[in-house]
Amino acid sequence: EPEVTQTPSHQVTQMGQEVILRCVPISNHLYFYWYRQILGQKVEFLVSFYNNEISEKSEIFDDQFSVERPDGSNFTLKIRSTKLEDSAMYFCASQKMGGSNEQFFGPGTRLTVL
Amino acid sequence: AQTVTQSQPEMSVQEAETVTLSCTYDTSESDYYLFWYKQPPSRQMILVIRQEAYKQQNATENRFSVNFQKAAKSFSLKISDSQLGDAAMYFCAYRSGETSGSRLTFGEGTQLTVNP
Repeated sequence: EPEVTQTPSHQVTQMGQEVILRCVPISNHLYFYWYRQILGQKVEFLVSFYNNEISEKSEIFDDQFSVERPDGSNFTLKIRSTKLEDSAMYFCASQKMGGSNEQFFGPGTRLTVL
Repeated sequence: AQTVTQSQPEMSVQEAETVTLSCTYDTSESDYYLFWYKQPPSRQMILVIRQEAYKQQNATENRFSVNFQKAAKSFSLKISDSQLGDAAMYFCAYRSGETSGSRLTFGEGTQLTVNP
């Protein structure tokens, strides 16, 4: 069964450094998402991406964040200058089409900012 | 904006018994979807069950069923014959049906413990 994959599984970085989190969505899916979950808290929406552009973003998704689909298969989340409060689990999700279709989640990348 | 509330931070159940997890939501939309996701210690998000708001019949997936009360904006999850593998964090989630590809809005989660 196809699945969403994410790399790396765990990333440790120093405050102020740039990180890129990578995701490979399911191949025939059209909608892509990033969510984050700070430890012990609920899952929060960051951004959605469709037809090679951002379709929606939350207030969390400020100028330090960017997303890209560089080659038709990967979907990346870049954090330009990491802060301590960016430490969280980051989940990528993809969805086949709109409507009732479910969002399939990847296993997540745990980001630790020191 | 839509909100999702789970008022039970923790629940416990004996193995083989039944447990119900509560969820309420607030929306002014008429077209939407509701989901329950399970998050085991691995932190993978796994879809348990989903409900389309336009369907009156409650969704069922094996031992999992929902009680969807649209007027009351309530969406509870019932787990029958609980198993040790059901122990996890459970999140209720809402998604608008009025735009394709809309975000999921999650509740705070309920940590379910299954006692042998």
